[in-house]
Amino acid sequence: NAGVTQTPKFQVLKTGQSMTLQCAQDMNHNSMYWYRQDPGMGLRLIYYSASEGTTDKGEVPNGYNVSRLNKREFSLRLESAAPSQTSVYFCASISRRGALSIGYTFGSGTRLTVV
Amino acid sequence: GQQLNQSPQSMFIQEGEDVSMNCTSSSIFNTWLWYKQDPGEGPVLLIALYKAGELTSNGRLTAQFGITRKDSFLNISASIPSDVGIYFCAGLNYGGSQGNLIFGKGTKLSVKP
Repeated sequence: NAGVTQTPKFQVLKTGQSMTLQCAQDMNHNSMYWYRQDPGMGLRLIYYSASEGTTDKGEVPNGYNVSRLNKREFSLRLESAAPSQTSVYFCASISRRGALSIGYTFGSGTRLTVV
Repeated sequence: GQQLNQSPQSMFIQEGEDVSMNCTSSSIFNTWLWYKQDPGEGPVLLIALYKAGELTSNGRLTAQFGITRKDSFLNISASIPSDVGIYFCAGLNYGGSQGNLIFGKGTKLSVKP
């Protein structure tokens, strides 16, 4: 049981290049999330998917697109990377206990540098 | 939007000392969560609190959900070197928000030189 798996772990892009960050969870969770983490800013929500087939914008969606490919996979795409998108990206899926959301399980992150 | 104020931003610990950190918000939350993040890793859930006034322990960690539902604290007793890392509080309102967590900016624990 791997939990939440993110690929790649590290990536360097040139300004204007595109790439897709992959995330997969094997816990049968309905909801999945993409966050970015910047020094002094904590974790900020980019996009989320409450269930398969739905996606919604979070706090900082500009410059990103997402796809909920199936229940397991939620990808984040940068169409034209900018230096401001240099960050650590975390994928998360939500755990539920009955009607409660009891917390998120995070992947180990993708460290992206845009030069 | 909702914001969490987490303090202190950083602190140094000496082995054996007790550590305390807290989070406050201008908004109420239904759930408070505390996470720890080690370098190069994602945050890992330490404690979840679901009820105002609730006091919950996990080993040497103790956290409380404030009565007003606008604050929470985390205590670490008898700290050890592996306690270093960044601790995040997070507030959650399930329901219409789709379970979106609001995070504090973190408290960085380092070992006293």
